[in-house]
Amino acid sequence: NAGVTQTPKFQVLKTGQSMTLQCAQDMNHNSMYWYRQDPGMGLRLIYYSASEGTTDKGEVPNGYNVSRLNKREFSLRLESAAPSQTSVYFCASSRQGAIEKLFFGSGTQLSVL
Amino acid sequence: LAKTTQPISMDSYEGQEVNITCSHNNIATNDYITWYQQFPSQGPRFIIQGYKTKVTNEVASLFIPADRKSSTLSLPRVSLSDTAVYYCLVGDSTGGGNKLTFGTGTQLKVEL
Repeated sequence: NAGVTQTPKFQVLKTGQSMTLQCAQDMNHNSMYWYRQDPGMGLRLIYYSASEGTTDKGEVPNGYNVSRLNKREFSLRLESAAPSQTSVYFCASSRQGAIEKLFFGSGTQLSVL
Repeated sequence: LAKTTQPISMDSYEGQEVNITCSHNNIATNDYITWYQQFPSQGPRFIIQGYKTKVTNEVASLFIPADRKSSTLSLPRVSLSDTAVYYCLVGDSTGGGNKLTFGTGTQLKVEL
């Protein structure tokens, strides 16, 4: 049972480049989330998907887009990367809603030069 | 959304009991209180959740007073491996209950 799988684990981009972070869960969870964590800071919610077919903005959605491809997969896209987006990105899932236990992936370390 | 306030850091020694208190003065009737633990370079991990009074599991206890405006995570007999950041979250299960906010957490350092 893999839980929540994120790819890639590390990525370096140049300013203006685009990329997609992938996230997949195998727990049949309805809700999925993308967080970012800057050094020494807590996690900030970027986007979430309460259920398949729905997505909503979190605290810091600017510069990002998401796609809930199916129940298992939730991707995060940076259309034009900026140095301010250098961070660790975590994907999480829960059975239904964030009040349920959140299961996190191992994170993607992204550096934008 | 209920805002939470926790100490930025705490120090302890192995074998001691550690209590981390979280303040959430504007907690709503439907809100639950959840604690997560995060080790460096890892995603947070669920520790415990409660609504009122006391909840205990194999790793921690959660004490919630009657007014629910604060909560205390209790870690019995900590070890070096309990050195981590601990987050207190407050949120509800209604309306999707999806916008849980992680604050900066409490950095617990356990020494020999």
